Amino acid sequence: AQSVTQPDIHITVSEGASLELRCNYSYGATPYLFWYVQSPGQGLQLLLKYFSGDTLVQGIKGFEAEFKRSQSSFNLRKPSVHWSDAAEYFCAVGARTGGSYIPTFGRGTSLIVHP
Amino acid sequence: NAGVMQNPRHLVRRRGQEARLRCSPMKGHSHVYWYRQLPEEGLKFMVYLQKENIIDESGMPKERFSAEFPKEGPSILRIQQVVRGDSAAYFCASSRFDPGVGEETQYFGPGTRLLVL
Repeated sequence: AQSVTQPDIHITVSEGASLELRCNYSYGATPYLFWYVQSPGQGLQLLLKYFSGDTLVQGIKGFEAEFKRSQSSFNLRKPSVHWSDAAEYFCAVGARTGGSYIPTFGRGTSLIVHP
Repeated sequence: NAGVMQNPRHLVRRRGQEARLRCSPMKGHSHVYWYRQLPEEGLKFMVYLQKENIIDESGMPKERFSAEFPKEGPSILRIQQVVRGDSAAYFCASSRFDPGVGEETQYFGPGTRLLVL
């Protein structure tokens, strides 16, 4: 069975600083990998996804993530954080089933942005 | 194009009552997924449905929980005889099947916050 570990429960950065959120996964085959963002009281919004191809994936809002098979990692990065980026971030790994995929989510990393 | 809609957004029930959560997928989407989020945790998969079929219900509790996605109308997640431990946020997602692409992005609704008193 697949699993996802997000080792950082909270991350605090200053506005304008760079950001890296860590994600490690466990999956027996080539994974489908995702990063979602959740603002308080809201649903999840997809930031980016990796299915195959280029291991550096560009997403929305200036985010990117790099798939490193040797390290079983899919870390999320942003060069300059904005106050509006404060939210909960979830990494997920997807397993194919019945013509679709079922993601397994990590516990999330809460991003706090200081002015 | 309207996104995934869920209602109600907030639901309060007393122990022993029934809870019905509704999800209307995005236009053109025929796959629906239900997830549960407990406080301080990530989302946990419950069930995956296509029109009139349950494809994967491996995450559904064995008792009191059921889901359907009829030919017409929204998908319903039904919780009978609710208990305090059912208090959580329930999210619905939808996707469409594209045989040419082979993978589909799930789009999430805003969730229903269920509180059991």
